Amino acid sequence: GNSVTQMEGPVTLSEEAFLTINCTYTATGYPSLFWYVQYPGEGLQLLLKATKADDKGSNKGFEATYRKETTSFHLEKGSVQVSDSAVYFCALSNDYKLSFGAGTTVTVRA
Amino acid sequence: GAGVSQSPSNKVTEKGKDVELRCDPISGHTALYWYRQSLGQGLEFLIYFQGNSAPDKSGLPSDRFSAERTGGSVSTLTIQRTQQEDSAVYLCASSLAGGFSYNEQFFGPGTRLTVL
Repeated sequence: GNSVTQMEGPVTLSEEAFLTINCTYTATGYPSLFWYVQYPGEGLQLLLKATKADDKGSNKGFEATYRKETTSFHLEKGSVQVSDSAVYFCALSNDYKLSFGAGTTVTVRA
Repeated sequence: GAGVSQSPSNKVTEKGKDVELRCDPISGHTALYWYRQSLGQGLEFLIYFQGNSAPDKSGLPSDRFSAERTGGSVSTLTIQRTQQEDSAVYLCASSLAGGFSYNEQFFGPGTRLTVL
């Protein structure tokens, strides 16, 4: 079956630091890959997605590249802000069902 | 426009009681999903609706859980004879269409269920 493994947190950074959250997956076929974000007190929001190999998803300064050869979809941001403090979830889907990683809590300090 | 809404936002119940959780999807979205977010299990898929039909109920953890959708819109998740392990945040999501992995799912704020 499908599974997603992402780096455990919590991760604490200073403002303007570089952020990487690793995500690897196991799936049959050619899944779509997603990063969702949950800000404090808010619901899950789609941050970015990629639907085929070598696609790069990007949004709000975040990027992730679909690497089929390493079955990875690592999330990166070059310069984080306090407002990026949130829980980040890597997810995949072959059809309609999302399979999520455990989530990584990121705290950015001013 | 309005997003996905869920009610109640919080529900505290006693073990053995039945509860109903409601989801109002985004207008025009034909696909609707229920997920559960718990400390021990993370985010888990429960059920998928396409219109009023549920072609995939594989994530429902036991026969105490059921869900329906009426008018291609509102959905209700019912948990009978609640147990403490049912305590979790129940999330509803909807998408414009279903069946394709690239369809964006829009999530509601969730219902936090606590079973005492």
